[in-house]
Amino acid sequence: EAGVAQSPRYKIIEKRQSVAFWCNPISGHATLYWYQQILGQGPKLLIQFQNNGVVDDSQLPKDRFSAERLKGVDSTLKIQPAKLEDSAVYLCASSSPRISEAFFGQGTRLTVV
Amino acid sequence: AQSVSQHNHHVILSEAASLELGCNYSYGGTVNLFWYVQYPGQHLQLLLKYFSGDPLVKGIKGFEAEFIKSKFSFNLRKPSVQWSDTAEYFCAVNAFTGNQFYFGTGTSLTVIP
Repeated sequence: EAGVAQSPRYKIIEKRQSVAFWCNPISGHATLYWYQQILGQGPKLLIQFQNNGVVDDSQLPKDRFSAERLKGVDSTLKIQPAKLEDSAVYLCASSSPRISEAFFGQGTRLTVV
Repeated sequence: AQSVSQHNHHVILSEAASLELGCNYSYGGTVNLFWYVQYPGQHLQLLLKYFSGDPLVKGIKGFEAEFIKSKFSFNLRKPSVQWSDTAEYFCAVNAFTGNQFYFGTGTSLTVIP
């Protein structure tokens, strides 16, 4: 079974630029999560999708962050414009109710300079 | 609001020493409980999980955890650690309602040979 795929692995941008991350979950997993993991902290949930609908985006900074999962499969997370404090690893995970376990991708390490 | 607390931020042990990492959660409803591990340069991986039944669960690599409902705790243990256990350990709670996963801040374990 293929795992959760994320790209790119690394990204360096200047502040005020925009950036996008891509995630392809495990096939058949209806739930997709985006987490932000700042160095030294635990993953913080940014947004959760159930198929192509948003379940929880209460901690997503909506003035600069956006995410979509148009066809209920892969997803993109965008930051525009980026700030220095957005430097973090962005993790994508997927799960299904039948399994009740989250599977994580390798993450994208974003550095904003 | 749901929260997950990990008491130890950094732990340093010698090989063969015993390990116990604390985890407490605050959530009034039914939850599933997890410990994830993140080895250096790798993605988050499931160590063990508790859904129901025997409150003492065994995971991979000799790890175990005990769910104490009255204390809202799910502590991770290993009788004898190895150098290869050096990693970040995250406790996580999956709330039944909404299928969200909430993570603690993590514990960095360093095992000295």
